[in-house]
Amino acid sequence: SQTIHQWPATLVQPVGSPLSLECTVEGTSNPNLYWYRQAAGRGLQLLFYSVGIGQISSEVPQNLSASRPQDRQFILSSKKLLLSDSGFYLCAGSLGGRNTEAFFGQGTRLTVV
Amino acid sequence: DQQVKQNSPSLSVQEGRISILNCDYTNSMFDYFLWYKKYPAEGPTFLISISSIKDKNEDGRFTVFLNKSAKHLSLHIVPSQPGDSAVYFCAARYPSGNTPLVFGKGTRLSVIA
Repeated sequence: SQTIHQWPATLVQPVGSPLSLECTVEGTSNPNLYWYRQAAGRGLQLLFYSVGIGQISSEVPQNLSASRPQDRQFILSSKKLLLSDSGFYLCAGSLGGRNTEAFFGQGTRLTVV
Repeated sequence: DQQVKQNSPSLSVQEGRISILNCDYTNSMFDYFLWYKKYPAEGPTFLISISSIKDKNEDGRFTVFLNKSAKHLSLHIVPSQPGDSAVYFCAARYPSGNTPLVFGKGTRLSVIA
């Protein structure tokens, strides 16, 4: 079965500092990969998705960027964090094809102070 | 604009009774619908899904109903158990397997013993 490994579980960063969250996939190859953010009262907001190495689609203009340097690696970055970047970040994957579900990592709680 | 709507932010149900969680969608192009369950500080886990060619799918205590004409789906949990207390997200997918899931804002279910 497919597994998403995501780290760290919690992170406290000062405003203006850089960010790098990494996600790796185990148990499958060529997955579609996604970064979501869960902010209080706002559900799961899609930030980025990727259907292959080097291919990134951005859903929300913001202070963040994503990269996919390898098939099973997805990275979320920021050069300078804002207070509004605080939230619960989730990496997810799916196998493509119709009628498939997405599988999620355990998430990273980011607090920008 | 929210394409998948969960209009009840919270729901309380007594143990042993039925829990009914509702979800509405606006885009008739969606053809696959999913429910996820999420505990605090964890990633969502897939619960049950339904294809648009069906109107009901059952898995143990969980049943999902789809009313395409009303663009409405619901998740029934019978009987409800305290361990079912979590946030439930409704999600929808376009026919292309490479597109991300679109999530609602979630409903927090509390099952009271």
